[in-house]
Amino acid sequence: FILTQPHSVSESPGKTVTISCTGSGGDIATNYVQWYQQRPDSAPTTLIFEDDQRASGVPDRFSGSVDSSSNSASLTISGLKTEDEADYYCQSYDADTLWVFGGGTKLTVL
Amino acid sequence: QVQLVQSGSELMEPGAPVKISCKTSGYDFGTYPMNWIRQAPGQGLEWMGWISTKTGKTTYVQGFTGRFVFSLDTSVSTAYLEINSLKTEDTAVYYCARGVDNQGDYVYWGQGSLVTVSS
Repeated sequence: FILTQPHSVSESPGKTVTISCTGSGGDIATNYVQWYQQRPDSAPTTLIFEDDQRASGVPDRFSGSVDSSSNSASLTISGLKTEDEADYYCQSYDADTLWVFGGGTKLTVL
Repeated sequence: QVQLVQSGSELMEPGAPVKISCKTSGYDFGTYPMNWIRQAPGQGLEWMGWISTKTGKTTYVQGFTGRFVFSLDTSVSTAYLEINSLKTEDTAVYYCARGVDNQGDYVYWGQGSLVTVSS
C-alpha cells in the first residue's frame, strides 16, 4: 500500500489550500488516515486523526476528509497563515497495523 | 499531559552502537504501543516498526531488521532504540511516537534524537 502526495504546494495568506494523499495498492477507506504537520527543525505533531478528527488544540481551519471514489484523502487548510508553512505528511496502515507514510508535501505560504 | 522526551544528539563513529531513550509521562505506559520513525537529512518520515508495551513483542519493517533493536523498561516508562554497527547512512533524526489503543486516541511524538555517524 502506497500513499502519494504532491511534493509541494503554495498559496497566499488568507486563501485555502488542499493537500491530497492518494492511495495505491489498496483501499484508502479500509483504515484511518492521519495528517501530521512538521514545521522546520521541529518534530511532527498530529493535526488530524481518524480521517477527519482534529487533535487537541488544532484550529478548525484544518480539516481532513477521505474520498473513496478517488481513493484519496485530503487535508484542507483555510485562512492560510504564514505559520502554516511546514511539511505535511499523511499516514495510514497496511495490513491493519503497519504504518505507511506519504512522501510529504511542502507548503509555502507566500 | 502526555510527554515523550528523547535523549540528546549523538555523534558516533562507524561501527559503534548507540542507544536512544524515549521517556514517557502523563499516561499509562503499558497501554499504548511505541513506534519508531527515522528521518534522514532532507527526507521524509520512514516508519521503522513498533514494540508492544504490553508484551514486548517487536515488529521491524524491511530495512530495519538485524541491527536495530527496540526495547522497554516499564519500571521507568521508557522505550529504547538501539542501533548496532552504525553506518554513515544511519545519520538521521529518530523519533519515538506513541501509538493508539482505542478510537479517539491519536499519536504523540517525541522531540527527536539526532544521530550523526562520521569518522
